[in-house]
Amino acid sequence: GQSLEQPSEVTAVEGAIVQINCTYQTSGFYGLSWYQQHDGGAPTFLSYNALDGLEETGRFSSFLSRSDSYGYLLLQELQMKDSASYFCAVFNNAGNMLTFGGGTRLMVKP
Amino acid sequence: EPEVTQTPSHQVTQMGQEVILRCVPISNHLYFYWYRQILGQKVEFLVSFYNNEISEKSEIFDDQFSVERPDGSNFTLKIRSTKLEDSAMYFCASSAGTSNTIYFGEGSWLTVV
Repeated sequence: GQSLEQPSEVTAVEGAIVQINCTYQTSGFYGLSWYQQHDGGAPTFLSYNALDGLEETGRFSSFLSRSDSYGYLLLQELQMKDSASYFCAVFNNAGNMLTFGGGTRLMVKP
Repeated sequence: EPEVTQTPSHQVTQMGQEVILRCVPISNHLYFYWYRQILGQKVEFLVSFYNNEISEKSEIFDDQFSVERPDGSNFTLKIRSTKLEDSAMYFCASSAGTSNTIYFGEGSWLTVV
């Protein structure tokens, strides 16, 4: 099976940088995904890392180290609208089931 | 931009009743999913569906649940004999293939009273 661990809550101020870590255990590995979810909303895809290293998309970057079974999401120049829950997720061997971590609730303060 | 659409957005049902949640996946996608999220908790996988049959299911997806693709566009989740603990947000999702990005609908909030 798959299991993922991430902090339950992170608080940061507007304009700051925050890193949300994720460690995973899975029998096979097909990459680490990150989703954002605002209260009452749907999970929205942010990024996907299949290979080691950093992927950058605007203010958001995601990093993966397969040897450490570890990844993180980096959010720069935080804005109030970034307040949301962030989930890391991995696929199973067959690629037909995406398992989510418990989610990290990010609160951005003025 | 193509999107997954779900109906109803909110349904209240009596305990023991049957509910059907409906979804229209993105048109060229081949894999369809249902996920559940109890208030304040994580997103939990229920089932994936491909080529008109269940591809994978979780332990949550027991005989109380069933899925169907009744026509070329709709994908449904049926919950029989609802229980109070079935109250949750149910998300439909779709992807173009395995290990592909999964796109979620806005969810159907089910309240069992």
